[in-house]
Amino acid sequence: KAGVTQTPRYLIKTRGQQVTLSCSPISGHRSVSWYQQTPGQGLQFLFEYFSETQRNKGNFPGRFSGRQFSNSRSEMNVSTLELGDSALYLCASSLSVSGATEAFFGQGTRLTVV
Amino acid sequence: KQEVTQIPAALSVPEGENLVLNCSFTDSAIYNLQWFRQDPGKGLTSLLLIQSSQREQTSGRLNASLDKSSGRSTLYIAASQPGDSATYLCAVPFYNQGGKLIFGQGTELSVKP
Repeated sequence: KAGVTQTPRYLIKTRGQQVTLSCSPISGHRSVSWYQQTPGQGLQFLFEYFSETQRNKGNFPGRFSGRQFSNSRSEMNVSTLELGDSALYLCASSLSVSGATEAFFGQGTRLTVV
Repeated sequence: KQEVTQIPAALSVPEGENLVLNCSFTDSAIYNLQWFRQDPGKGLTSLLLIQSSQREQTSGRLNASLDKSSGRSTLYIAASQPGDSATYLCAVPFYNQGGKLIFGQGTELSVKP
């Protein structure tokens, strides 16, 4: 059974650009959550999508957005990149809504903004 | 504000030792508690999930306990091995946070051969 797949694994972008990250959850899982991990702040929740609807959102600026498709795959977009957006972005998939069932994480996308 | 705290931040032990990692949380209204392992630069690997109604959960050399009333969980690792070296994170979904995982800062474990 395939795990959570995140693409790309690494990205280098310039300040002001935008970026799109992709996450394919485990087959049958309907919830996808996104987290940002930095050395200073640790792991912080960005948002959760369940059945194509945003169910929960963290305290991030509107430059961070996401969506989920009918096959449960999710994308996350960051516009007008800032140096502080450099981080490991992790996607988690779960069978049901976040928190109620076990979360499984992908390998992450390492974003570097220069 | 619901918070999750892990102590110690770092731990170094010789191979073969049994060890305990600690996790505390500020509100007992939780769905469950999950322990993860993270290797440098990698994603999170789920180790154990304890439902809020459970007291403990075991998987191989790992045993996790949960005491909701005191807001504490421990992860016990028996007969540690160098391959256990990693950062261990606990995460809690609180009821009134919509179930999103709130993570501790992690314990960085180093097992010396």
